[in-house]
Amino acid sequence: NAGVTQTPKFQVLKTGQSMTLQCAQDMNHEYMSWYRQDPGMGLRLIHYSVGAGITDQGEVPNGYNVSRSTTEDFPLRLLSAAPSQTSVYFCASSRPGTTNSYEQYFGPGTRLTVT
Amino acid sequence: KNEVEQSPQNLTAQEGEFITINCSYSVGISALHWLQQHPGGGIVSLFMLSSGKKKHGRLIATINIQEKHSSLHITASHPRDSAVYICAVRLNWSGGSNYKLTFGKGTLLTVNP
Repeated sequence: NAGVTQTPKFQVLKTGQSMTLQCAQDMNHEYMSWYRQDPGMGLRLIHYSVGAGITDQGEVPNGYNVSRSTTEDFPLRLLSAAPSQTSVYFCASSRPGTTNSYEQYFGPGTRLTVT
Repeated sequence: KNEVEQSPQNLTAQEGEFITINCSYSVGISALHWLQQHPGGGIVSLFMLSSGKKKHGRLIATINIQEKHSSLHITASHPRDSAVYICAVRLNWSGGSNYKLTFGKGTLLTVNP
């Protein structure tokens, strides 16, 4: 299994540009989430999904959109990038109801800089 | 006030020392996670606890539900243990799903040779 994969690893955007961060998992996990990590702050939840077709907002959803058309993929869209969105983004997945219920698997992260 | 507090924020140790990192939380939880993040690296799950104690190699995690406190111990520390250690809790949630995690800010551990 590849686990949780994220692309790209690095990205530089200009203010106002849009882009999509890709996240995929091959473990048939129901639960997927996006976090951002900023210096001096803990990981903060942006959006999450409990299954295909179901998404909900987390702690810091403004400026981001998500969709979950398949179990495997959970892309994060930045609609109009702002310097405040400069951060490291992590995608994670887990599968409740199994022996290791709720154990989180994280992707390698995407480092985004908005100038 | 953050619902999850970690201490210390920074910790420097000499190789071989016994390390303790603490995590306190203020609400009822269904599980607590300890995560490890190497500099510039990804995040790896070390432990998931809902009670008692777990051990994996030189790492030991304990939780006291009544006191709302967990500790991560590293025995015979090594420079390769240098990383940020993150505590995260899954809140008790009576309605709907309780998949969401709330994270502490992390403890930066540096182990010198």
